[in-house]
Amino acid sequence: GQQLNQSPQSMFIQEGEDVSMNCTSSSIFNTWLWYKQDPGEGPVLLIALYKAGELTSNGRLTAQFGITRKDSFLNISASIPSDVGIYFCAGQTFDMRFGAGTRLTVKP
Amino acid sequence: DGGITQSPKYLFRKEGQNVTLSCEQNLNHDAMYWYRQDPGQGLRLIYYSQIVNDFQKGDIAEGYSVSREKKESFPLTVTSAQKNPTAFYLCASSMSVNTGELFFGEGSRLTVL
Repeated sequence: GQQLNQSPQSMFIQEGEDVSMNCTSSSIFNTWLWYKQDPGEGPVLLIALYKAGELTSNGRLTAQFGITRKDSFLNISASIPSDVGIYFCAGQTFDMRFGAGTRLTVKP
Repeated sequence: DGGITQSPKYLFRKEGQNVTLSCEQNLNHDAMYWYRQDPGQGLRLIYYSQIVNDFQKGDIAEGYSVSREKKESFPLTVTSAQKNPTAFYLCASSMSVNTGELFFGEGSRLTVL
């Protein structure tokens, strides 16, 4: 099946730093999504992207749908302690595939 | 408030026992899903349902069963045939199968003793 490669697997950053993570695939997708999961909770949708090349922001978060439709990235600016969690990318054509997640730790 | 409710949040089971995880949604969504999450891995699809009385196997359906008798409810049974059932299970719903925007419950953590 389609595989998503998400990197990095984990990040340890200082509060106030910017964060960047990405997902790549050998297959194309019609939709890219980014979710955040807090410990012991279900993932929550952060940003959805529906068009190749689309760049979308949600507060301090910015995500882009790669022009080849095989990749996407998520940036978080000026990180704060509550950004801690696991960030998942997901790509969808007929079904939805998830990356393995990026675990973010923010040190105050 | 609208949302998805999973229960129980924590469940312990002895080997050889079946266990059923509950998932209820009041979002009026047609599609519902069950995912399994293991440490360091992405979410893997167990079963999904596009509409009442219909469901399809996902990537890892072996050892699991589901039913969709009501639009609001999509229970998952982890049977004794599932060789490694200890995991975090997530239920989700969406307006339809192709919308892409999933709403997740808070999850159920199953531990087999």
